[in-house]
Amino acid sequence: QVQLVQSGGEVKGPGASVKVSCKASGYTFSSFGIVWVRQAPGQGFEWMGWVSANNDSRNYAQNFQDRVTMTTETSTTTAYMELRTLRPDDTAVYYCARYANFYDSGGYAELFDFWGQGTLVAVSS
Amino acid sequence: SSELSQDPAVSVALGQTVRITCLGDSLRSHYYTTWYQQKPGQAPVLVIYGRNNRPSGIPDRFSGSSSRNTASLTITGAQADDEAAYYCTSRDSGGYPRFGGGTKVTVL
Repeated sequence: QVQLVQSGGEVKGPGASVKVSCKASGYTFSSFGIVWVRQAPGQGFEWMGWVSANNDSRNYAQNFQDRVTMTTETSTTTAYMELRTLRPDDTAVYYCARYANFYDSGGYAELFDFWGQGTLVAVSS
Repeated sequence: SSELSQDPAVSVALGQTVRITCLGDSLRSHYYTTWYQQKPGQAPVLVIYGRNNRPSGIPDRFSGSSSRNTASLTITGAQADDEAAYYCTSRDSGGYPRFGGGTKVTVL
């Protein structure tokens, strides 16, 4: 079965960096990209970006373009998200999810069809 | 503020039908709306994608529809297990994936 297992929670000080991993199994890793989404406490979701499975393409949300790097390693079927210059308002649960797309005569859909369990990153002085 | 608007909360009696709506001008595009369910302390689960498609394991009491700038998720015969927050997502006006603010469904 498809599984995405993320690394454990982190506590960081302002200005530090964090790198979250996402180990995928149960499917052909090279066939699906990975997205990263975060959820601040008690809030909704914010899409951070997407990285291709073979690490040759990525697309970041404008809010994160100068602070985030997303990568994948096909040899270990693992995706990574590094966020730099952390601020207290970066405190959130960070999720990876498998990216798939769907289309028919009526249009196009993008799916985040399997999710990791989430990684809490707390930023506090 | 989210470009996709959802009612913050809705309640439904056990076994009755509830419709959750997602409103946004970007929904007029050729991108379908996708729906996720999130229970407290858990990761989201995909429930509806495309015109009205359910992943394996999602009960057929969940259905999706759309008209103009509104997408809807309907639960027909709501069960206690359906109590959760539901989020819509599609592309925003800038072409990036965007989530609605979420609707918390309470089953009475």
